[in-house]
Amino acid sequence: GENVEQHPSTLSVQEGDSAVIKCTYSDSASNYFPWYKQELGKGPQLIIDIRSNVGEKKDQRIAVTLNKTAKHFSLHITETQPEDSAVYFCAGNTGFQKLVFGTGTRLLVSP
Amino acid sequence: DTGVSQDPRHKITKRGQNVTFRCDPISEHNRLYWYRQTLGQGPEFLTYFQNEAQLEKSRLLSDRFSAERPKGSFSTLEIQRTEQGDSAMYLCASSHPGAEQYFGPGTRLTVT
Repeated sequence: GENVEQHPSTLSVQEGDSAVIKCTYSDSASNYFPWYKQELGKGPQLIIDIRSNVGEKKDQRIAVTLNKTAKHFSLHITETQPEDSAVYFCAGNTGFQKLVFGTGTRLLVSP
Repeated sequence: DTGVSQDPRHKITKRGQNVTFRCDPISEHNRLYWYRQTLGQGPEFLTYFQNEAQLEKSRLLSDRFSAERPKGSFSTLEIQRTEQGDSAMYLCASSHPGAEQYFGPGTRLTVT
């Protein structure tokens, strides 16, 4: 089955800097890769996703890139703000059914 | 538009007791998923429904766990004879088939 690895586990940046979180997946049949943001005591919130027929997707300060050959995908946050501080999870999905999540990255943005 | 809701938000129970959680999906979504999340980990898939049919169950879902979605709307997850290892956040998500999953706020279970 699918296995998703995520790194780094923690990431500290200064406000205004960029942050990059990377994930790799094992199942070449995976075709959908969402990213979720989770704040303390809350459920995961979908922030951006990418499908396997697309190499890059942007939404304001957030972008995701996908390299199918290498089986890795990355989240890029530019101009970080303190409210971006949270735990971010990547996930992989085959056939738009169950999601397999990475272990999470705790992002801390310092003012 | 109301999102996915879960009830209760917190549950404290003694080992050996039964507990039941409820999930109300986004109204037009016919897929409903249950996940479990332990501290410091990503959510792990438990089971999912399309309408009232339970289509897949994880090996994590032991025989003490049962999930239902009787009318294809809300779902319940019951844990019988709870154990301390069941302490976790139980998350529900819903979606259209072939579309993104939206999560509820979760039910945090503590087994003492």
